[in-house]
Amino acid sequence: EAGVAQSPRYKIIEKRQSVAFWCNPISGHATLYWYQQILGQGPKLLIQFQNNGVVDDSQLPKDRFSAERLKGVDSTLKIQPAKLEDSAVYLCASSPEGRTDTQYFGPGTRLTVL
Amino acid sequence: AQSVAQPEDQVNVAEGNPLTVKCTYSVSGNPYLFWYVQYPNRGLQFLLKYITGDNLVKGSYGFEAEFNKSQTSFHLKKPSALVSDSALYFCAVRDIPTDKLIFGTGTRLQVFP
Repeated sequence: EAGVAQSPRYKIIEKRQSVAFWCNPISGHATLYWYQQILGQGPKLLIQFQNNGVVDDSQLPKDRFSAERLKGVDSTLKIQPAKLEDSAVYLCASSPEGRTDTQYFGPGTRLTVL
Repeated sequence: AQSVAQPEDQVNVAEGNPLTVKCTYSVSGNPYLFWYVQYPNRGLQFLLKYITGDNLVKGSYGFEAEFNKSQTSFHLKKPSALVSDSALYFCAVRDIPTDKLIFGTGTRLQVFP
């Protein structure tokens, strides 16, 4: 079984630029999560999708961050414009329908904003 | 609000010795607790979880965790540490009713040969 795929693995941009991250969850997993992990901290949930609907986006900075999962499969997280404090690892995770207690994580995308 | 705390930033242990990584929790209601491990440049990997039942939970790679309700703790343990266990360990609690995971700040485990 293939795991959660993310790309790119690394990204360096300057502040005020835009960036997008892509995630392909494990096949058949209904729930998809995006987490932000700042150095020295634990992951923080940004947004959770159930199929193509948003379940929780309470901690997503909506003035600059957006995410979509149009066909209920893969997902894109965008930052526009980026700030220095957005430097972090962005983790995508997925879980099967009705099994949100078990999340499978991708390798993450390390974003550096200069 | 649900939360977990990991009081140690780093734990050092010699190979072959037992290891403990500490976690305490604060929840309303019954806790759903998890341990994840993160190796360098890799995503988090699930180790084990406590939902209900036996207070001693066994997980992957020989790890186990002990749930202690009176001390509100969920410490991760292993009888004999390996150098390959060196990694970042996160305790997490499942938030009810959103189901999202709330992570601690992490503990870096360093196992010396």
